[in-house]
Amino acid sequence: ETGVTQSPTHLIKTRGQQVTLRCSSQSGHNTVSWYQQALGQGPQFIFQYYREEENGRGNFPPRFSGLQFPNYSSELNVNALELDDSALYLCASSSYRTRPYEQYFGPGTRLTVT
Amino acid sequence: DAKTTQPNSMESNEEEPVHLPCNHSTISGTDYIHWYRQLPSQGPEYVIHGLTSNVNNRMASLAIAEDRKSSTLILHRATLRDAAVYYCILRDVLPQRTKYIFGTGTRLKVLA
Repeated sequence: ETGVTQSPTHLIKTRGQQVTLRCSSQSGHNTVSWYQQALGQGPQFIFQYYREEENGRGNFPPRFSGLQFPNYSSELNVNALELDDSALYLCASSSYRTRPYEQYFGPGTRLTVT
Repeated sequence: DAKTTQPNSMESNEEEPVHLPCNHSTISGTDYIHWYRQLPSQGPEYVIHGLTSNVNNRMASLAIAEDRKSSTLILHRATLRDAAVYYCILRDVLPQRTKYIFGTGTRLKVLA
């Protein structure tokens, strides 16, 4: 069974730029959620995708957007990067029908905005 | 959004039970209570969840107050590998309102 993978591991961007982070779900999972975790803080829910549609969103501005593909992999896009966007971005997958409560998290992508 | 409140840190001796409290006084009827833990340099890991009744699994037990305004995660015998940040989370399951609200987390230190 393949776990959740994320790429890249680390990324450095400049303020104002755009970034795309990628996530591959665990085998058999059809739901993907994205979180932002600032240093020393708990993860903050960005949004969730199910069947390629957004199925819930946290308090993040529209410049945070996402996609889910037919193979259930996902992308997180952030436009007009700000310094406060520096954080660990976590992706989590789950099976909406069988065990929606149990999310499997990837190792995260560390984004630094300078 | 309903929020959770947890103590910042707790300590326990190895092989002893640990009770991790969580307050969620503004919980709604459609909120499930979840617990996740995060070991150093790893993503969070599912521990347990419940709605109204107490729950047990191989990792832990979850005790939910009758009014659902608080809950307690119980680790029956703490080990060194249980040292982590434990998060109490509310999950709204209504369509288009699915979101996970992580609390501040409790950093558990296990003493050998």
